[in-house]
Amino acid sequence: DVKVTQSSRYLVKRTGEKVFLECVQDMDHENMFWYRQDPGLGLRLIYFSYDVKMKEKGDIPEGYSVSREKKERFSLILESASTNQTSMYLCASGPTRGGALAFFGQGTRLTVV
Amino acid sequence: GNSVTQMEGPVTLSEEAFLTINCTYTATGYPSLFWYVQYPGEGLQLLLKATKADDKGSNKGFEATYRKETTSFHLEKGSVQVSDSAVYFCALSGPGGGNKLTFGTGTQLKVEL
Repeated sequence: DVKVTQSSRYLVKRTGEKVFLECVQDMDHENMFWYRQDPGLGLRLIYFSYDVKMKEKGDIPEGYSVSREKKERFSLILESASTNQTSMYLCASGPTRGGALAFFGQGTRLTVV
Repeated sequence: GNSVTQMEGPVTLSEEAFLTINCTYTATGYPSLFWYVQYPGEGLQLLLKATKADDKGSNKGFEATYRKETTSFHLEKGSVQVSDSAVYFCALSGPGGGNKLTFGTGTQLKVEL
């Protein structure tokens, strides 16, 4: 089974902190994605990566950055957390040949206080 | 750009009732279409997909047919169970969106005995 593992299920951070959300996949997928999920808004793409050290902005990249130093790991960074970044964060991965098939982690519920 | 519109929820049904969740899309070219399901406390799982017009995706008793003429991909199930209670997301990908998924806002389904 494809496994996408997010390092934390729940996080509570203070405003202004630098926050790292980690995601690891074990299926050698080329593509990895970070989404945030909010009620009434569905899933919105923050950043994605087609390969190691490559990244592209999604629909809502402001306030976020990412890092992909190894193929299996894709990190989302909140440079200075704000309360409007309180949300559920979902990581996904998928093979290039799979045509946008995506396998999701269980999500990290981040609360910024 | 690409967009997906789903019917708003929550949808509440009795066990063994017929389910339809409407999904329509706007996209350039011929996108691939997906339904994902999110059970409480979990990440998203791929439920079914269709990659070209008139294709029917099916899984676990759920079906959806890619209708190019009406730009729709409605999800149906003949007899729902309590265990089907979840949030259902319609999504599309490419060609205009590359390998990224664009999601609808999700429809919560509650099935009662």
